[in-house]
Amino acid sequence: DTAVSQTPKYLVTQMGNDKSIKCEQNLGHDTMYWYKQDSKKFLKIMFSYNNKELIINETVPNRFSPKSPDKAHLNLHINSLELGDSAVYFCASSRTSGGPYEQYFGPGTRLTVT
Amino acid sequence: GIQVEQSPPDLILQEGANSTLRCNFSDSVNNLQWFHQNPWGQLINLFYIPSGTKQNGRLSATTVATERYSLLYISSSQTTDSGVYFCAGELYFGNEKLTFGTGTRLTIIP
Repeated sequence: DTAVSQTPKYLVTQMGNDKSIKCEQNLGHDTMYWYKQDSKKFLKIMFSYNNKELIINETVPNRFSPKSPDKAHLNLHINSLELGDSAVYFCASSRTSGGPYEQYFGPGTRLTVT
Repeated sequence: GIQVEQSPPDLILQEGANSTLRCNFSDSVNNLQWFHQNPWGQLINLFYIPSGTKQNGRLSATTVATERYSLLYISSSQTTDSGVYFCAGELYFGNEKLTFGTGTRLTIIP
């Protein structure tokens, strides 16, 4: 019974390619997030969606485009991949009304751009 | 946004030892979480603790919201406790980004 799942777990691709990462949560949460963890282990928010609407969009290149088809899914599409995009991408979800507001994270997708 | 400072950055302990990890926030936070990132990279929720004290087995956490800090206690360390411990906070309840600290890397030696 995986609460937050991501696919794929590993993604190795060449510069210039386009790739997608998928995320699904079965916790009944109304908000989903994408975080990026760089090589120094620093975790930073990229996007958040509440009820399929974009709420937070940090200073992320517009090559990154999140899409939320419904409350349980949030996908991340990356165009024209660059070496600096190599990182671990985590999806998370939480409740944002009524509490508790704890965020739960998926297992991560390790993206390597060569 | 808020700044989150964790200390110490690295900690090496013998199995069986106790430890205290600290997290300081630059502003009041309304949501505070502790995570353990294990050697396989998984982020495991340890505590959701906006205020007060909670215990879960050998781990406990205390948040003093008015003084903008939180502490994570690990007692009788085991090798499986190794990994990176992160604290993270939100300025507002819900619908807001978690800002993470830079982590404490804990290594437990058998």
